[in-house]
Amino acid sequence: ILNVEQSPQSLHVQEGDSTNFTCSFPSSNFYALHWYRWETAKSPEALFVMTLNGDEKKKGRISATLNTKEGYSYLYIKGSQPEDSATYLCGRDDKIIFGKGTRLHILP
Amino acid sequence: DAGVTQSPTHLIKTRGQQVTLRCSPKSGHDTVSWYQQALGQGPQFIFQYYEEEERQRGNFPDRFSGHQFPNYSSELNVNALLLGDSALYLCASSLYNRNIQYFGAGTRLSVL
Repeated sequence: ILNVEQSPQSLHVQEGDSTNFTCSFPSSNFYALHWYRWETAKSPEALFVMTLNGDEKKKGRISATLNTKEGYSYLYIKGSQPEDSATYLCGRDDKIIFGKGTRLHILP
Repeated sequence: DAGVTQSPTHLIKTRGQQVTLRCSPKSGHDTVSWYQQALGQGPQFIFQYYEEEERQRGNFPDRFSGHQFPNYSSELNVNALLLGDSALYLCASSLYNRNIQYFGAGTRLSVL
């Protein structure tokens, strides 16, 4: 069974602080790693798709790294803003196997 | 350019009934995937359609079936509904063998 684990489940961060969270996945037969941001009452929005070990991607204040050999990815948010409040999902492969997500709350 | 659209947004059914959910992919996309998100869980992959055929399938029973039309839109059918089928059903579209998937807002199904 392919399990994707995300931690923490929930996170409260003061506005302006930086934060990061983790996605762990089985490293065998790896194809791709996806990060999505999902705001309440909206559609999940693709942030990054990474395929190569050592990949680092950046989009504004958000960045992600990938280690396929040890089976983990980190998502970093620099200088958190209220609009960053959302659930962040990671998933593996093309038929995406998702984790349960990290629910991020930015405190004003 | 319309994104992925799903209908209906909400649906209430009773046990044993059948339901059909619909999805129109993002313009230019030819592949549609369906996911089920139960409460407290991440989205679970149901199946993927390309060229009107089911290409990949997750661990869901045969009560879950689908269809893709020549215009790339897709339907998800669930027969003999169970209480446990209550969930948010998400549709995602993409280009075949391309990684990025674009999601709709989902259909919330409640089975009573």
